[in-house]
Amino acid sequence: AQSVAQPEDQVNVAEGNPLTVKCTYSVSGNPYLFWYVQYPNRGLQFLLKYITGDNLVKGSYGFEAEFNKSQTSFHLKKPSALVSDSALYFCAVRDLNNNDMRFGAGTRLTVKP
Amino acid sequence: SAVISQKPSRDICQRGTSLTIQCQVDSQVTMMFWYRQQPGQSLTLIATANQGSEATYESGFVIDKFPISRPNLTFSTLTVSNMSPEDSSIYLCSAGRGRSYEQYFGPGTRLTVT
Repeated sequence: AQSVAQPEDQVNVAEGNPLTVKCTYSVSGNPYLFWYVQYPNRGLQFLLKYITGDNLVKGSYGFEAEFNKSQTSFHLKKPSALVSDSALYFCAVRDLNNNDMRFGAGTRLTVKP
Repeated sequence: SAVISQKPSRDICQRGTSLTIQCQVDSQVTMMFWYRQQPGQSLTLIATANQGSEATYESGFVIDKFPISRPNLTFSTLTVSNMSPEDSSIYLCSAGRGRSYEQYFGPGTRLTVT
């Protein structure tokens, strides 16, 4: 069965600095990988996905993520963090044998002015 | 993209009663799912809602407790039966168009059982 791990409960960065939110996965076969963001008292919003092709994928709000097959990772990145990026971020994975999506535990990102 | 609405947005219920949550998608989708989330925590998949057939439940969730309907490609309901305080949570409806597509999420139903 597919699974995903987010090793950091909390990430703190200063505004204007680059940010990275880590994600590693475990699947049988090739993965479909996703990042979502959840703002306080709001639903989950889709940020970006990796299905196939270029390992670097770009998404909403200036976020990007790099798929690394050898390290089974899909870290979320942004070159310059904004205070408004402060939220809860979830990595998710789906494998070729399942329709459903499995989520990591989530990482709370705090960007300080 | 797909826009998903859920009703009710929140409710406070007494133990032993049941609540049915409705999920409406603004376009036809292949897949619909129900998740549960404690505030600030991860999502747990309850079941996949299958159109025209019985839902597929994850380990730890059973049809008697969480009956699900999906009469067509845009609508599903989740019932939380014989509620206890442990059922207090946020229930999320999700939909997608296929394995290589992202899933979209409704705003959630915040349930409190007293």
